Amino acid sequence: KAGVTQTPRYLIKTRGQQVTLSCSPISGHRSVSWYQQTPGQGLQFLFEYFSETQRNKGNFPGRFSGRQFSNSRSEMNVSTLELGDSALYLCASSLEGASPLHFGNGTRLTVT
Amino acid sequence: QKEVEQNSGPLSVPEGAIASLNCTYSDRGSQSFFWYRQYSGKSPELIMFIYSNGDKEDGRFTAQLNKASQYVSLLIRDSQPSDSATYLCAVGGDTGTASKLTFGTGTRLQVTL
Repeated sequence: KAGVTQTPRYLIKTRGQQVTLSCSPISGHRSVSWYQQTPGQGLQFLFEYFSETQRNKGNFPGRFSGRQFSNSRSEMNVSTLELGDSALYLCASSLEGASPLHFGNGTRLTVT
Repeated sequence: QKEVEQNSGPLSVPEGAIASLNCTYSDRGSQSFFWYRQYSGKSPELIMFIYSNGDKEDGRFTAQLNKASQYVSLLIRDSQPSDSATYLCAVGGDTGTASKLTFGTGTRLQVTL
């Protein structure tokens, strides 16, 4: 069974631009979550989507948004990029309920 | 604010020894507990998960949960150099918030020859 697939693997953007990251969950997984990982803050929860609806949200500004499609694939968008948005963005999928999260390889975003 | 605390390490153990990694959490309502391993430059990989008080064993790994003490631990028996990594403790809520994990900052484990 294929794992969680994230594209692209690396991105370099300049301040003020916007970026869209993509995530394909494990087949059959309906929940997709997004996390940001930085050396200073560690792993922080951004949001979770289930059945095309945002089910949970972390404490990030509105510049961070996401969506989920009917095939459970998800996208995350960051608008008006700031230097502090440089991070590893991880997507994770899970079956349902309290089942464990399985992470993708991540997208490393560098904002210059 | 929910917090998960881990000793950052590094925790150094000789090959073949038992590595003991600990984690405490602040939210008494937490229902799900996970251990992830993360190699440098890679994404977190699920090692163990536990939902009930007590021990859960899987191969060389044992997860221990004590909800009264708000304490989770991971034991790695017969430690190997390939176990050298950062181990992340993560805590989640009940079914509706299980994916909203709070992570500790991780404990770096070094297994020496």
